[in-house]
Amino acid sequence: KNEVEQSPQNLTAQEGEFITINCSYSVGISALHWLQQHPGGGIVSLFMLSSGKKKHGRLIATINIQEKHSSLHITASHPRDSAVYICAVITGNQFYFGTGTSLTVIP
Amino acid sequence: DAGITQSPRHKVTETGTPVTLRCHQTENHRYMYWYRQDPGHGLRLIHYSYGVKDTDKGEVSDGYSVSRSKTEDFLLTLESATSSQTSVYFCAISPSNRGDYGYTFGSGTRLTVV
Repeated sequence: KNEVEQSPQNLTAQEGEFITINCSYSVGISALHWLQQHPGGGIVSLFMLSSGKKKHGRLIATINIQEKHSSLHITASHPRDSAVYICAVITGNQFYFGTGTSLTVIP
Repeated sequence: DAGITQSPRHKVTETGTPVTLRCHQTENHRYMYWYRQDPGHGLRLIHYSYGVKDTDKGEVSDGYSVSRSKTEDFLLTLESATSSQTSVYFCAISPSNRGDYGYTFGSGTRLTVV
């Protein structure tokens, strides 16, 4: 049983495509994080949100608390966006992590 | 990333030997965490600390111990390494445990137990 489910697990896109990664969770949360991990690299926090929508450059994150669902969108995707994207939710003082979505953007 | 460093970055060790991984921060954050990352699993919490000498277990704490004698250092020790502890280990820091502040990760330590 995993409290956080991500889809798809793997995604290949052509450069320039609009990309959506989904995260569903089963627990009540105080916040949700989207993280990015490049191959062989460390983990970077992209967004933290508890309601609504946030935008940073070509990245947009949305959350629907009632439906327990969040999406990460990438507009005009680029090969440098190739990475694993991880959804993490926080309930109380517990973090739960999804297994990640591996994105490959082909030039 | 600036503010948090892990050492070593890579280590190969033999089964049964003790191993210590170090996480060092310069952000003066109260909370520090050790996670392991394995294929097919999300990051899993090993131990965390909520202050100097204050630590608690995570979901996969068996076989691991931690110590925090200073705000800036959080050590993870494998008392007697086993092959099942081959993994990538990440340290993270945060000023809050509620997830409402930024959460900064180290670059990871790749540990191989042979």
